[in-house]
Amino acid sequence: NAGVTQTPKFRILKIGQSMTLQCTQDMNHNYMYWYRQDPGMGLKLIYYSVGAGITDKGEVPNGYNVSRSTTEDFPLRLELAAPSQTSVYFCASSSNTDRPGANVLTFGAGSRLTVL
Amino acid sequence: QQQVKQSPQSLIVQKGGISIINCAYENTAFDYFPWYQQFPGKGPALLIAIRPDVSEKKEGRFTISFNKSAKQFSLHIMDSQPGDSATYFCAAYTQGGSEKLVFGKGTKLTVNP
Repeated sequence: NAGVTQTPKFRILKIGQSMTLQCTQDMNHNYMYWYRQDPGMGLKLIYYSVGAGITDKGEVPNGYNVSRSTTEDFPLRLELAAPSQTSVYFCASSSNTDRPGANVLTFGAGSRLTVL
Repeated sequence: QQQVKQSPQSLIVQKGGISIINCAYENTAFDYFPWYQQFPGKGPALLIAIRPDVSEKKEGRFTISFNKSAKQFSLHIMDSQPGDSATYFCAAYTQGGSEKLVFGKGTKLTVNP
C-alpha cells in the first residue's frame, strides 16, 4: 500500500519557469491537501479538495493552481516561479467521515523545490 | 492570525529526560487536537490525538494533557530517547467544519545520548 506518493522529490527551477508537482493516493480518500513548509513557519495550507471536481483556497494560494479530476490525483501547478516559492511541499489526504477525530492526515514524503 | 500557538520553537533534552511541548488556541469551536511527528526528510505522521472531553491521553511514553478552560494542551514525552528527535506539530480541527487542520509552527526536539 503506497499511501500518498509525490513526485518529483527535488527540483530546481529558474525564475519565471512553470512546473507541476504530482500527488497521487491509493487509499480512496475524499480529501486532499497541499501544504508548504518553511523553516520555523510550520505547515501552511495552499489548496485543498473535498472530492473530485471540487477545490478551494487555503491560507497561501497565490502563485499556485490545482485541479482534481480524479479521486486519486491532486496536482499542484506553479506558474511563473518566484524565489518566494522555494519551499518543501507536502501533499496529504484524509477520509471523509463524521466520526470524531477521524480526519487523520496521511502525508507524502515531500517535494523540495528551489527557485533561483 | 495564528490560531494555534506552539512553544518552544526548539528543545534539547538529555536521554531519559522529559520533553514538554505546549500549545494554546483561541477558537473554542476546535474539538480535536492531534500531534504530528516529523522526522528529517519525511512527511509528518499522526502521533497521538485528544478530544476536549478528556483531560489526558496516554500512549506509551507519549501523553497529551488538555486544559479546556485555559485553552491549552501539551505533549509530554517521558524517558525521552535519541530516536524521538524530530519536529513535533500540534494542530486543531473542528469536526464538521471546513475539514482543515490548523497547525502550530512546530518544535524541533533534540534528545542527546
